Amino acid sequence: DIQMTQSPSSLSASVGDRVTITCRASQSISRDLNWYQQKPGIAPKLLIYAASNLQSGVPSRFSGSGSGTDFTLTISSLQPEDFATYFCQQSYSTLWTFGQGTKVEIK
Amino acid sequence: QVQLVQSGAEVRKPGASVKVSCKPSGYSFSSYGISWVRQAPGQGLEWMGWISVYNGKTNYAQKLRGRVTMSADTSTSTAYMELRSLRSDDTAVYYCARVLGATYYFDYWGRGTLVTVSS
Repeated sequence: DIQMTQSPSSLSASVGDRVTITCRASQSISRDLNWYQQKPGIAPKLLIYAASNLQSGVPSRFSGSGSGTDFTLTISSLQPEDFATYFCQQSYSTLWTFGQGTKVEIK
Repeated sequence: QVQLVQSGAEVRKPGASVKVSCKPSGYSFSSYGISWVRQAPGQGLEWMGWISVYNGKTNYAQKLRGRVTMSADTSTSTAYMELRSLRSDDTAVYYCARVLGATYYFDYWGRGTLVTVSS
């Protein structure tokens, strides 16, 4: 299976901060990388698909980049509703896998 | 609008089986796949597998092969996930999610079904 490793596992940030989360694949996955946001007790929500495509309805402060093995999710100006856990997911192989998650907490 | 409605919480004893249902609405059921993802308490997301509703083809995570079966009934537009030989570490919230073919991302999710395995 392709292993997905996110960093950091958690971070503390303030409203208005620029936040960057990294996801690294154990082998090249082209641009087959998706990002999800999850709040406690609620199902995950798709943010970004195919590395850099913003899902309909998702605020433009979210952006994704990368290809091959290294990917980034950026929140340009953190808002109160963005405090959540973020997961990457690869869809390159026939066995899909998630990263372990990055929890974004209030500083 | 697209919705995926899942069946209610279940409690099972170790060694038993559970079957969770997922009934989508708001789109053509056969045009998309359904994937199942679970989340143990306080843990991350674990992909379990998916089914192409169009042709019934399935693909399961290696660690669950032999214990999990995913199916889809096009006559009732309902997807199912059955997990057998339950263990305590199968206790989790089980989500179904719509899969968009070719790109394979999960664009709509059910609200989750809590399955508790306890003696």
